[in-house]
Amino acid sequence: AQSVSQHNHHVILSEAASLELGCNYSYGGTVNLFWYVQYPGQHLQLLLKYFSGDPLVKGIKGFEAEFIKSKFSFNLRKPSVQWSDTAEYFCAVIGRMNYGGSQGNLIFGKGTKLSVKP
Amino acid sequence: DSGVTQTPKHLITATGQRVTLRCSPRSGDLSVYWYQQSLDQGLQFLIQYYNGEERAKGNILERFSAQQFPDLHSELNLSSLELGDSALYFCASSPRPQQDTQYFGPGTRLTVL
Repeated sequence: AQSVSQHNHHVILSEAASLELGCNYSYGGTVNLFWYVQYPGQHLQLLLKYFSGDPLVKGIKGFEAEFIKSKFSFNLRKPSVQWSDTAEYFCAVIGRMNYGGSQGNLIFGKGTKLSVKP
Repeated sequence: DSGVTQTPKHLITATGQRVTLRCSPRSGDLSVYWYQQSLDQGLQFLIQYYNGEERAKGNILERFSAQQFPDLHSELNLSSLELGDSALYFCASSPRPQQDTQYFGPGTRLTVL
């Protein structure tokens, strides 16, 4: 079955620490990959996405993610977190058609809560 | 601000009741998606519409239904509400189903007492 696994339920870091959030997916085909962020009390916002090409993608607010096809992973990284990065982070996948369009629907991981201590 | 609007922001109702949640997609987006976010189930896809037609169904209960109107806004109807239906309901939109990036609205928090 298609699924997304986010290994960490809750991560607590101090400001300026480096961040890596794990995401692994199970899907029988080519996928497009996303990271969304949900700040407290707010809606989901797109952080970054990978469709094809360079497996290292840069997103907003200094975030980046690396797609490793052989490991079915799409880990999110940030070299130095800030208190304002406190939020919940969701990894999501969707099947990709040959022409680049989507197949099926977005499948989300359970999310990782990030708490950054000032 | 994603450009997707949802009303109401909060809804408190009793078991057995029926409610309607409303979503207006971003300007130009033809596809609308509904998701339910709960503590135990996480984010679950419910249903998708494209230009007025149902396109895909996910984990949507039979007590729930949706539609997309000619002006492209969508409504999610939840009936015979149960305590377990308490959740955040998000709407998202994209230009077409093939356009993968979905932009999410602020959500409607439903509390069933």
